[in-house]
Amino acid sequence: QVQLVQSGPDVKKPGSSVKVSCRASGDMASTDGFGWVRQAPGQGLEWIGDIIPIFDIAKYATKFEGRVTITADKSTNTAYMDLASLTSDDTAMYYCARGLGYFGSGSHNYFDPWGQGTLVTVSS
Amino acid sequence: EMVLTQSPGTLSLSPGERATLFCRASQNVFSNYLAWYQQTPGHPPRLLIYGASNRASGIPDRFSGSGSGRDFILTINRLEPEDFAVYFCQQYGSALGLTFGGGTKVEIK
Repeated sequence: QVQLVQSGPDVKKPGSSVKVSCRASGDMASTDGFGWVRQAPGQGLEWIGDIIPIFDIAKYATKFEGRVTITADKSTNTAYMDLASLTSDDTAMYYCARGLGYFGSGSHNYFDPWGQGTLVTVSS
Repeated sequence: EMVLTQSPGTLSLSPGERATLFCRASQNVFSNYLAWYQQTPGHPPRLLIYGASNRASGIPDRFSGSGSGRDFILTINRLEPEDFAVYFCQQYGSALGLTFGGGTKVEIK
């Protein structure tokens, strides 16, 4: 059974960057990916991007292209999401999740299971 | 970007009743790559259904998914107290990126 454990909550200033980690334990298949999804307070779910570590390929939502970098360390089964140029609109719970599916020209992943979430607050 | 519209926004039902939730896509969903998730307050989403109709591991058989093309349905038979939650659909068929619906809240009447 796969479990995902994320880094703790973080408070950032506008204009800065945040890096959230997600460590997987259990039976991850070599072709499984990591996805990142965020949820603003009281709002719905928003996909940020995915990575498949074995291929070291990441796919990003158009909205976040150029501002987000998703990486993975295969040796520790850990994924990272780095989001730059933060504004108050980036205040949200950030979730990682195992991606099940594949990459074609885009991401074709659904997600199971999910990490516990990391609250990122952007405030001056 | 493919837009998913969920309806109704809120569904008020009693335990034991059946819930029917709808998810309509702005275009056909390739290969019916449509998933459903359940989220309770303070918890991350949980996968219920993938591929429009396949139950995820450990999900009770009172949850079922159906539909194809642009229109998809999540049915919950005989609502249990723990089923009162928010439900999201997600498409993963578009090359332009993954998208989620806005959610349907199932609340106790």
